[in-house]
Amino acid sequence: EIVLTQSPGTLSLSPGERATLSCRASQSVSSSYLAWYQQKPGQAPRLLIYGASSRATGIPDRFSGSGSGTDFTLTISRLEPEDFAVYYCQQYDSSSYSFGQGTKLEIK
Amino acid sequence: EVQLVESGGGLVKPGGSLRLSCAASGFTFSNAWMSWVRQAPGKGLEWVGRIKSKSDGETTDYAAPVKGRFTISRDDSKTTLYLQMNSLNTEDTAFYYCTTLRGYSFKYWGQGTLVTVSS
Repeated sequence: EIVLTQSPGTLSLSPGERATLSCRASQSVSSSYLAWYQQKPGQAPRLLIYGASSRATGIPDRFSGSGSGTDFTLTISRLEPEDFAVYYCQQYDSSSYSFGQGTKLEIK
Repeated sequence: EVQLVESGGGLVKPGGSLRLSCAASGFTFSNAWMSWVRQAPGKGLEWVGRIKSKSDGETTDYAAPVKGRFTISRDDSKTTLYLQMNSLNTEDTAFYYCTTLRGYSFKYWGQGTLVTVSS
């Protein structure tokens, strides 16, 4: 079973700043199988990035994904007030899916 | 517009059973691979299981914690997804989300239904 570890657990930044969120896998993950989600309080998660770097429909271009192998990154180039939320990475391997534990992005 | 509406959540005693439903609309349900994802209150996301489309064999896969206790099924004529949960324990307390699979990611999500397992 592939375990995803996200860091940091909490990231405190101000609007306008750049956010870099990390997702590390316990073994290599195909880039095609790595996704990122945003979840706000009281809401269902929303797909942001799939295939490690492709933005989902309607996602602003300030969100970008990169990485390969065991190290993946979600970057938010310039934070807007609505971007403060919890972010999860997710992978697929051998008919099974798993999520990282999440990174909380909070307003500094 | 894609809509996924879960129902059937509630309070159940340990050892009990519950069946969740997810009414889908706005897309071709019969072609979709569907999944359930859960989230314990204040915790992270956990994949529960997946069912493929009928044309892909309607095969199911489950996460280890629920394998043998939970069963996912679908009724394409009613565009509805089901999750039958048996032998429930307190660790199954969570919001249960119905999702569509797009490739290897979860594209559309319902609003979730809360299952509470408590005596």
